Amino acid sequence: EAQVTQNPRYLITVTGKKLTVTCSQNMNHEYMSWYRQDPGLGLRQIYYSMNVEVTDKGDVPEGYKVSRKEKRNFPLILESPSPNQTSLYFCASSTRGPTDTQYFGPGTRLTVL
Amino acid sequence: AQKITQTQPGMFVQEKEAVTLDCTYDTSDPSYGLFWYKQPSSGEMIFLIYQGSYDQQNATEGRYSLNFQKARKSANLVISASQLGDSAMYFCAMRDFALGYSTLTFGKGTMLLVSP
Repeated sequence: EAQVTQNPRYLITVTGKKLTVTCSQNMNHEYMSWYRQDPGLGLRQIYYSMNVEVTDKGDVPEGYKVSRKEKRNFPLILESPSPNQTSLYFCASSTRGPTDTQYFGPGTRLTVL
Repeated sequence: AQKITQTQPGMFVQEKEAVTLDCTYDTSDPSYGLFWYKQPSSGEMIFLIYQGSYDQQNATEGRYSLNFQKARKSANLVISASQLGDSAMYFCAMRDFALGYSTLTFGKGTMLLVSP
């Protein structure tokens, strides 16, 4: 089944404790992206990757890191999480075309205390 | 200026009726894609329908259709014969290359409630 998977689905952590949210897709998509969703602010792009070893900042990259060492994986790293990073996070992937459909993972609900 | 505008925070419809969710967009890029996603209370983002800027005909996917009016920059979602399971948040989104890279911009969403 074609899908985007994220782990963990739910995470409660404390300020400053490094964490990684994994994202994997099995559709051989070149493009992958991370979004966060907050009430009243909608979905905002954090980082995106056009292909392996190619990543760039989205609208709200501060406090986040990403890497793209393999085509299928695009982990999101929070080196020192803070309470303002409490949010619902989505990973998405698509083919290379600039207007192609993005398919989303199930979401990761993160709470930073 | 907002790139995607959804003016209806909430909509109510009775089961089996049709409903239209509004979306207007703004871009200077001649090549763009318009999307609708559904987000039920469980939280996942489900892709519903896509319309390309060069597509001549309105997109349809089962009970979903997209009323694309390019000159008016609108891309309304029409759901025919609403079902209880259609109750969810609906997001209009646009993907363009106006900033020199491919971005997907979402509207604020419309909450649809379907009553029996």
